[in-house]
Amino acid sequence: AQSVTQLDSQVPVFEEAPVELRCNYSSSVSVYLFWYVQYPNQGLQLLLKYLSGSTLVKGINGFEAEFNKSQTSFHLRKPSVHISDTAEYFCAVSAARGGSNYKLTFGKGTLLTVNP
Amino acid sequence: GAGVSQSPSNKVTEKGKDVELRCDPISGHTALYWYRQSLGQGLEFLIYFQGNSAPDKSGLPSDRFSAERTGGSVSTLTIQRTQQEDSAVYLCASSFQPGRIYNEQFFGPGTRLTVL
Repeated sequence: AQSVTQLDSQVPVFEEAPVELRCNYSSSVSVYLFWYVQYPNQGLQLLLKYLSGSTLVKGINGFEAEFNKSQTSFHLRKPSVHISDTAEYFCAVSAARGGSNYKLTFGKGTLLTVNP
Repeated sequence: GAGVSQSPSNKVTEKGKDVELRCDPISGHTALYWYRQSLGQGLEFLIYFQGNSAPDKSGLPSDRFSAERTGGSVSTLTIQRTQQEDSAVYLCASSFQPGRIYNEQFFGPGTRLTVL
């Protein structure tokens, strides 16, 4: 089984400041890692994913994340945030095996609030 | 291009009543998933359909919860004798068939269920 810990439930930042949303995971098998964003009253949208290969993953809207196997982390970063980035962000993990890679385990979410 | 749709968007019911939540997946997606998003528990996997069969029902919280899928398309999640702890947002997602290659899950906007 997998588990995900998002260390911050809320992160307030000012517009154009850098931001890092932290995510740690636990798993006894190799994993796929994901970050999703949820805007108010909307479903989840995939920001980026790590399946294999380069540990630095770039996603949509200028976000990137780095997979660190030794620290079991997958922190999300953006060098300069906009008001429109205000949303809830979810880190998720699945087992990297064909039979069960569909089953996403989510963290509890981090609410990013970008202030002018 | 239509995405995943869910209905109703909001449902208010009285404790003890039965409710049905509907999901229309993206055309051509053979896999369908239900998740629950609640304040206390975060985002939890409920059930996975491949075609009309459900090989993984491990996330259904009790026997009051059931789901079916017909024609490899529309799915209905039924909650019998609703309780206040069932209040949550129920999210549906769909994807191409999971397998050795990862297939992205696309999420609907959710149904917000409130049990009074």
